[in-house]
Amino acid sequence: QAQLVQSGAEVKKPGASVKVSCQASGYPFTTYDINWVRQAPGQGLEWMGYVHPDSGNTGYAPKFQGRVTMTRDTSTSTAYLELTSLTSEDTGVYYCARRQYNFDCWGQGTLVTVSS
Amino acid sequence: DIQMTQSPSTLPASVGDRVTITCRASQGINSWLAWYQQKPGKAPKLLIYKASSLESGVPSRFSGSGSGTEFTLTISSLQPDDFATYFCQHYKINPWTFGQGTKVEIK
Repeated sequence: QAQLVQSGAEVKKPGASVKVSCQASGYPFTTYDINWVRQAPGQGLEWMGYVHPDSGNTGYAPKFQGRVTMTRDTSTSTAYLELTSLTSEDTGVYYCARRQYNFDCWGQGTLVTVSS
Repeated sequence: DIQMTQSPSTLPASVGDRVTITCRASQGINSWLAWYQQKPGKAPKLLIYKASSLESGVPSRFSGSGSGTEFTLTISSLQPDDFATYFCQHYKINPWTFGQGTKVEIK
């Protein structure tokens, strides 16, 4: 069955960058967009953007444009999220999710803590 | 951007209750709406897609209805495993946005 496995928790200082990975298995990687969704502590879900594994095309939410890069490596069926210029407001759990129409398969989440 | 508004934010309920959560879109989204369940420390889980289609493996006590701008998620008889937070999400057009969530808690 389809599965997305994310990299482990990260602790970063303000101003730093973070790169989170999401490895897919159990389905053809190039078939579905990989999306990234953030959840701040105790808050709701915020869509950040997507990468299409086949073409590499991306689309980002305006809030993150200029600070986010989503890439993929088809040889390892892995998608990546890189977020730069981190502030404390970027603390939260980052999820990858595959999407054809809705988000039907999610990674387990990666906690990113930004603290001095 | 399309805004999604859920109500209520918190819903105290008891096992066996019929529970209804409402989600409103700021503009028409046809039936391009999904519902997710999230438990503490876990990723969201897809329950309903295309407003009323039950995802495979989801119990039949969950149902969805609506189209256009107004949608509901109903749990016909609340079970202990159903105490969780529920989110709606539209997928009509990028950016995909979520409702703020409804926490179903023990009364």
